[in-house]
Amino acid sequence: EAGVAQSPRYKIIEKRQSVAFWCNPISGHATLYWYQQILGQGPKLLIQFQNNGVVDDSQLPKDRFSAERLKGVDSTLKIQPAKLEDSAVYLCASSLVQSGANVLTFGAGSRLTVL
Amino acid sequence: QKEVEQNSGPLSVPEGAIASLNCTYSDRGSQSFFWYRQYSGKSPELIMSIYSNGDKEDGRFTAQLNKASQYVSLLIRDSQPSDSATYLCAVRSGTSYGKLTFGQGTILTVHP
Repeated sequence: EAGVAQSPRYKIIEKRQSVAFWCNPISGHATLYWYQQILGQGPKLLIQFQNNGVVDDSQLPKDRFSAERLKGVDSTLKIQPAKLEDSAVYLCASSLVQSGANVLTFGAGSRLTVL
Repeated sequence: QKEVEQNSGPLSVPEGAIASLNCTYSDRGSQSFFWYRQYSGKSPELIMSIYSNGDKEDGRFTAQLNKASQYVSLLIRDSQPSDSATYLCAVRSGTSYGKLTFGQGTILTVHP
């Protein structure tokens, strides 16, 4: 079984520039998550998709962050314009369903540095 | 009050000792509880899950859950240097979409 694919692995940008991250979940996984992990902290949920619908985006800074999951498969997370405090690892994860005992499988992450 | 809080650490234990990691959560409706291990520069990987009160053992790992006290713990017996990592407690809410919230993590170092 192929894992969760993410790209790019690393990105360095200047503040106020834009960046996009891509995620392809495990085949057949209906639920997709984007987490932000700042150095020294635990992952924070930015957005959760069930198929191609959003079920939770309460912690997504919507003035600068956007995410979509067209056709209920792969997903893109965009930041525009970036701020210094957006420097973090952006983790994509997927699970078969969204509740109960089903566990998340994480991708390798995309490390963003904003200068 | 944080939704999921872990003992701050870092925690340092000698090889062969028992490492004890603790976690409390605020949502009484939480249903599922997980421990993830994260090596430096890597993504989290699941090591234990627990859903009912009591103990659950898997090899050298034992997870303990006390819903009345809103408390989850992870014991690592016969700690090895390869267990050195950050341990993340994660709690799934009882909402229909099962939001998974992580604690801040506890850094464990096992020294030879």
